[in-house]
Amino acid sequence: DGGITQSPKYLFRKEGQNVTLSCEQNLNHDAMYWYRQDPGQGLRLIYYSQIVNDFQKGDIAEGYSVSREKKESFPLTVTSAQKNPTAFYLCASRWAGQEGQPQHFGDGTRLSIL
Amino acid sequence: AQSVTQPDIHITVSEGASLELRCNYSYGATPYLFWYVQSPGQGLQLLLKYFSGDTLVQGIKGFEAEFKRSQSSFNLRKPSVHWSDAAEYFCAVNTGNQFYFGTGTSLTVIP
Repeated sequence: DGGITQSPKYLFRKEGQNVTLSCEQNLNHDAMYWYRQDPGQGLRLIYYSQIVNDFQKGDIAEGYSVSREKKESFPLTVTSAQKNPTAFYLCASRWAGQEGQPQHFGDGTRLSIL
Repeated sequence: AQSVTQPDIHITVSEGASLELRCNYSYGATPYLFWYVQSPGQGLQLLLKYFSGDTLVQGIKGFEAEFKRSQSSFNLRKPSVHWSDAAEYFCAVNTGNQFYFGTGTSLTVIP
């Protein structure tokens, strides 16, 4: 079945450590997105990518980095510069090039600080 | 700037009762509108979408939504709520490459 796979489901970070969240899709979608979800704040965009080797900052990119070396993969690194990383992280993808195509979401990764 | 407002943070309904979740958007042109549902610890699942044409759109799980341009609204409805509908619901607007989400409405269903 086609879909978006996020791993791991739970992740723990020590102070000063970088961690990487994985997002893989087999839907052949062009665009991929990373969101952060905190209680009562909805979804906030971290980064998005429309094509391979290109990505744009979202509203809250500070302390995060991404890469898009393959169409199906869009990993997110939470760096030590992100002072409040505890949150639920969601990856999404969609067909690009035609406005109005919906996003499809993975099941998320919950990141906590040790 | 585009924005989406879901005025109700939390709603409680009895099982079998009707449901309406409100969504208002701010966008100059006719927007592309979506409703998503999220169960605890899960990702978002698409319920329905509006592109153009009929203002009443049908979705999965018995949900429907009505687009009202004059009120800049896209409210989600269900005639009879089931206990399994308890979840968080998000309204979203798509413009260009980006999506703008409301802050969500949490639905509790009581027996």
